[in-house]
Amino acid sequence: GAGVSQSPSNKVTEKGKDVELRCDPISGHTALYWYRQSLGQGLEFLIYFQGNSAPDKSGLPSDRFSAERTGGSVSTLTIQRTQQEDSAVYLCASSPRASSGSNEQFFGPGTRLTVL
Amino acid sequence: SQQGEEDPQALSIQEGENATMNCSYKTSINNLQWYRQNSGRGLVHLILIRSNEREKHSGRLRVTLDTSKKSSSLLITASRAADTASYFCARRYSGAGSYQLTFGKGTKLSVIP
Repeated sequence: GAGVSQSPSNKVTEKGKDVELRCDPISGHTALYWYRQSLGQGLEFLIYFQGNSAPDKSGLPSDRFSAERTGGSVSTLTIQRTQQEDSAVYLCASSPRASSGSNEQFFGPGTRLTVL
Repeated sequence: SQQGEEDPQALSIQEGENATMNCSYKTSINNLQWYRQNSGRGLVHLILIRSNEREKHSGRLRVTLDTSKKSSSLLITASRAADTASYFCARRYSGAGSYQLTFGKGTKLSVIP
């Protein structure tokens, strides 16, 4: 079946502009995660959605970052007034159910954001 | 920091040799997972080992877990050029918020043909 998809694959924007990044999780997966990966670094957790529960936003680096998940499926990560330090690859992952034993996450290909 | 840390940061070996990567952590875990990343894009899950397990195998991959030392190793046997990638360990730690995976910075493996 289809995996996690993300769009756009690449985004170049000017400092101060807003951007929206989209994630389509695997159908039926109730858990959805956003991560950020700067060049040569590990993954930095941003936000987590599980079903209809309130999201865990503890990883969002500032109030310029927000995310929503509509209908328990597609998610959008929005970065307002982008800064150069926001440049990174933004990865989305989904898993069948966060409380399940394995919690294996299935990743999308990522969106490479470049802020000029 | 509860971050999982991998070492070495980079590893270069000849094709056919074995590659060993290590991961350490600081708090108790529910499970530990290894992921592979090609070209800085999406990660692929390789193998999961639970806290009550000591060793698991999957094809040419062997993972060990030593909870007393809070460390894990990933061994890739008979490496191939196609194994060139970055490898990350991710911990699912016990307790509140345990749905999260905490990733280390990874080991960049280069397999030379």
